[in-house]
Amino acid sequence: GNSVTQMEGPVTLSEEAFLTINCTYTATGYPSLFWYVQYPGEGLQLLLKATKADDKGSNKGFEATYRKETTSFHLEKGSVQVSDSAVYFCALTSNSGYSTLTFGKGTMLLVSP
Amino acid sequence: DAGVTQSPTHLIKTRGQQVTLRCSPKSGHDTVSWYQQALGQGPQFIFQYYEEEERQRGNFPDRFSGHQFPNYSSELNVNALLLGDSALYLCASSLVGTGSPLHFGNGTRLTVT
Repeated sequence: GNSVTQMEGPVTLSEEAFLTINCTYTATGYPSLFWYVQYPGEGLQLLLKATKADDKGSNKGFEATYRKETTSFHLEKGSVQVSDSAVYFCALTSNSGYSTLTFGKGTMLLVSP
Repeated sequence: DAGVTQSPTHLIKTRGQQVTLRCSPKSGHDTVSWYQQALGQGPQFIFQYYEEEERQRGNFPDRFSGHQFPNYSSELNVNALLLGDSALYLCASSLVGTGSPLHFGNGTRLTVT
């Protein structure tokens, strides 16, 4: 079956530091990959996505590249802000037409001024 | 353009009781999925509804049931509540066949005492 493994948090950084959150996956076929972000007390917001190998998703300074050879989709940002503090979820969906997501456990990011 | 709306936002129930949660999808969406997010965990897929039928189901007992109405809104029902059902219940909507990512509501926080 499908599964997603994320690095455990919390990840604690100072403002303007470089961010990497690791994500690896196991899936049959050719899944689409996503990063969602959850701010306190809110639902999930799509941050970025990639639908095929070597695609790079990007949004709001965040980037992730779909690496089929290493089954990874690591999230990166060059300079984090306090407002980036949230929980980040890596997820995948198999291309079966059902759009059901398999999520990792989430990684909390705490950015201090 | 209203996004996904869920009600109520918070709910407290007693073991053995039954609960109904409600969801209105984003305008233009026809598919509704429900997820359970336990504290500190990633969301887990419960089931998905399209054309008023359950299309796919995750690994949840029959105590969890749902319904979709002609206007695409949906309900999640949980019978014989257990303490372990305490979680954030997230509704997500999408448009079938488009490959569009899921849009999530802010969730209903259910506490079972």
